[in-house]
Amino acid sequence: KQEVTQIPAALSVPEGENLVLNCSFTDSAIYNLQWFRQDPGKGLTSLLLIQSSQREQTSGRLNASLDKSSGRSTLYIAASQPGDSATYLCAVRLGGGADGLTFGKGTHLIIQP
Amino acid sequence: SQTIHQWPATLVQPVGSPLSLECTVEGTSNPNLYWYRQAAGRGLQLLFYSVGIGQISSEVPQNLSASRPQDRQFILSSKKLLLSDSGFYLCAWSPGLANEQFFGPGTRLTVL
Repeated sequence: KQEVTQIPAALSVPEGENLVLNCSFTDSAIYNLQWFRQDPGKGLTSLLLIQSSQREQTSGRLNASLDKSSGRSTLYIAASQPGDSATYLCAVRLGGGADGLTFGKGTHLIIQP
Repeated sequence: SQTIHQWPATLVQPVGSPLSLECTVEGTSNPNLYWYRQAAGRGLQLLFYSVGIGQISSEVPQNLSASRPQDRQFILSSKKLLLSDSGFYLCAWSPGLANEQFFGPGTRLTVL
C-alpha cells in the first residue's frame, strides 16, 4: 500500500526566505506526482505536476523535483511572501491501472511579514 | 475553460438521515471524476472514482455510495449518515489517467 509522508508538518519562516518542503513515498511505481496548496476551508489548488519520466517542473517562484527511484520529491519556494501561507499537499498517482491520488498529510506553512 | 462546482457548500445533518452531494464539471467532456474526503486530523482519502457514465470504482468500503448519471455529473450519497461521515468532501476531475487533477471548492458536512 502506497504511503506518502511530508516533512515538516509545520513551518514558520520570515518573509523573503527560500524554503524547501519534502515529500516521500513508499512505492516508486507512480504515474506522476502533484503538489497542491490548500487555504483554510477551501479546496485544493494545483501547483505543479511532475510525470514519472520527469525530474523537475517550474512555475514562477516554485520548483518541484522528483527522484522516483528513491521515492522523494521536494517543493522549493523562492523569496517567500505572506501570501504563500497555506497548507501544501503532495500526492502521487499509482500506475498499473489504478486511479486517484494518495496524499500526504501536508505541511502547514506560515510566512511571517 | 473548465470549471468544477460542488453543492451544497455546507451541510449539517442528523445521524441516520440521507445524504446527497453533487458535483458538476463544465467545459470538458468525458472527464475522470473523483470523490475524496478530508477528515479532521487525517489526510485526504480517495472514496470513489469514475471513468465514464455508470462506471464507479470504490476505494474504501463504507457507508457511502456514488453515481454518475451524466457525463459531467457525479453524486455522493448515503442512506443513513453516521457521525464518522463528518468531514470535508472534495470532488475532482482530470482529462484522463496520468493527467493533472483539479479540485472543486468542497462541501463541509457535519453529522450531529
